[in-house]
Amino acid sequence: ETGVTQSPTHLIKTRGQQVTLRCSSQSGHNTVSWYQQALGQGPQFIFQYYREEENGRGNFPPRFSGLQFPNYSSELNVNALELDDSALYLCASSLEAWGGSTEAFFGQGTRLTVV
Amino acid sequence: AQSVTQLGSHVSVSEGALVLLRCNYSSSVPPYLFWYVQYPNQGLQLLLKYTTGATLVKGINGFEAEFKKSETSFHLTKPSAHMSDAAEYFCAVSPGAGNMLTFGGGTRLMVKP
Repeated sequence: ETGVTQSPTHLIKTRGQQVTLRCSSQSGHNTVSWYQQALGQGPQFIFQYYREEENGRGNFPPRFSGLQFPNYSSELNVNALELDDSALYLCASSLEAWGGSTEAFFGQGTRLTVV
Repeated sequence: AQSVTQLGSHVSVSEGALVLLRCNYSSSVPPYLFWYVQYPNQGLQLLLKYTTGATLVKGINGFEAEFKKSETSFHLTKPSAHMSDAAEYFCAVSPGAGNMLTFGGGTRLMVKP
């Protein structure tokens, strides 16, 4: 059973650029959630994808967007990067099934620095 | 709407002493409650969770937490701290068993020799 893997581990971008972060779900999981963790804070929920459809979103602007692919891997895209987007971005996968969902497993995260 | 408050951003204990990390929540629906641990430059690892049933929940590494609905609390305890327990701890609430988590601000646990 493979865990949740994220790439890249670290990334430096310039303000105004666009970035794509990637996440491979744990084997058998069909749901992916993304979180932003600013330095010294708790993670904040960005959005969740279930079977390629967004089915929940936190308080983030539209320039944060995502995709989920048929193999349930996922991308987080951020356009027009701002300095405040500098954070650790965490991906979590879980199995959403009839009767409820299972616990979420987190990846190691991608550290994004915007300069 | 859901929210989580963790009292004390930093907690320091001596090795072998009791660990108590506080968490209070608000939720408009019956909550699912979690404690996660984060070591430096790593992701989150689930310590324990409360979904339904027994209100005293035992987790990994000797940690446990008690769900108290009347106090809207889910405090984390460990009878005897170990140096390896030094990390950041996050309490979280969700409407489902593991999705759309709302986290508290975290508590950094320091363990003194």
